[in-house]
Parts: sequence; structure tokens; C-alpha cells
Amino acid sequence: GAGVSQSPRYKVTKRGQDVALRCDPISGHVSLYWYRQALGQGPEFLTYFNYEAQQDKSGLPNDRFSAERPEGSISTLTIQRTEQRDSAMYRCASSSQDPREQYFGPGTRLTVT
Amino acid sequence: AQRVTQPEKLLSVFKGAPVELKCNYSYSGSPELFWYVQYSRQRLQLLLRHISRESIKGFTADLNKGETSFHLKKPFAQEEDSAMYYCALLVAGSNYKLTFGKGTLLTVNP
Repeated sequence: GAGVSQSPRYKVTKRGQDVALRCDPISGHVSLYWYRQALGQGPEFLTYFNYEAQQDKSGLPNDRFSAERPEGSISTLTIQRTEQRDSAMYRCASSSQDPREQYFGPGTRLTVT
Repeated sequence: AQRVTQPEKLLSVFKGAPVELKCNYSYSGSPELFWYVQYSRQRLQLLLRHISRESIKGFTADLNKGETSFHLKKPFAQEEDSAMYYCALLVAGSNYKLTFGKGTLLTVNP
């Protein structure tokens, strides 16, 4: 079946612009995670949804970052007033009944110029 | 706070040689440990988890609580094993968020 999809795959934006990154999880997966991966680093947790409820947003670096999953399926990660330090790979993962087995999407490479 | 350390950024071996990718963690409780792999131009995928104690693609990893390690091993490396490997830790009650190491790039030379 179809895996986790993310769009766009690549995004180049100018500093100060807002961006919205989309994640479409595997159908039926109740849990959804966002991670950010800077160059040379491992993925770092940003936020977690269980159905439509945002259960944990402790990893969001500041209030420019927000995420939603209004119908418990597709999720959007929004970064307002982007800065160069926001440049990274943004990864989405979803899981079903076993939350330990997370399936990752291909990621969105964000570059802020 | 928990931490995962992968001391080697790069590891290069010849085909048929044994390979060991090191992973150490710091956490006072009983974590769950995982290895994720990313092949070139592919997405991150789960390779194995210590709870299942299985061998995937010839790789094994044993959780050593005394040494707080979860090293990944394979007796005979293959060229198709060339990839980026990430060790990850999950803490119970943490909403199942994974803490990753920085990764080790394994290159298996012919």
C-alpha cells in the first residue's frame, strides 16, 4: 500500500516568508510525528498527534512553529517568518496500533535563503 | 534527559568483513532501542528493535544494559549494506517520541 507521503519534497523560500509542509500518513494510522533533521545530525522530535489531538509539542523550537491535524489524517507543519536556521530536512512519521513502529515519509528539504 | 551517542561518523569496510556500528545511550530507566537505516535516495526505515530480538538482513543487535550499549553487528558485510544507520531510543510514557543518534555512514567496498 501507499506509504507516508510529504509535500513538497523540496522548498526554497526567502527569509521572512511563511511555509507550510504537508504530511499524509498511512491510511488508518492514528499517531503522527514530526521530526527535524539538520545536516550531520539525527532527526529531532518536534511534535506528536494522536488522531487530531496534539499530545506533545515540546520539541517545537519557538512560537513560529505550529502544527495541526484537524481531521486526524493529514497534518500541516507551518513555520512563520522563516529564518536561515530553519533550513533542514523535515520528516513526518506515522504509526498504527504499535506506536513503536514508526513509518517515515521521504521528508521535505527546506532551504531558507 | 536521554541521549544516544554514535561515536563513528563514518565507517568503511570491505565486502565480506565483519562490521560493528556502535551505539551508546544514557537513560536511567529501561528504554527501548532501535536501529533505523536510510539507503541512498530512500526514506528512513526501521531495521530492527531490541524487543523483537530478530535478525534482519543478517544484522543483529544486543542490548547491554551494563554498558548501556546497543551495537549493530553483521558477520559478513555486503555492498548493499552501504547506508546511513541511526540508533534510536524510546522512553516509555514519552508519547513514543524517538531520540536519535547522529548516525553512522557505512560504506562497504568491493
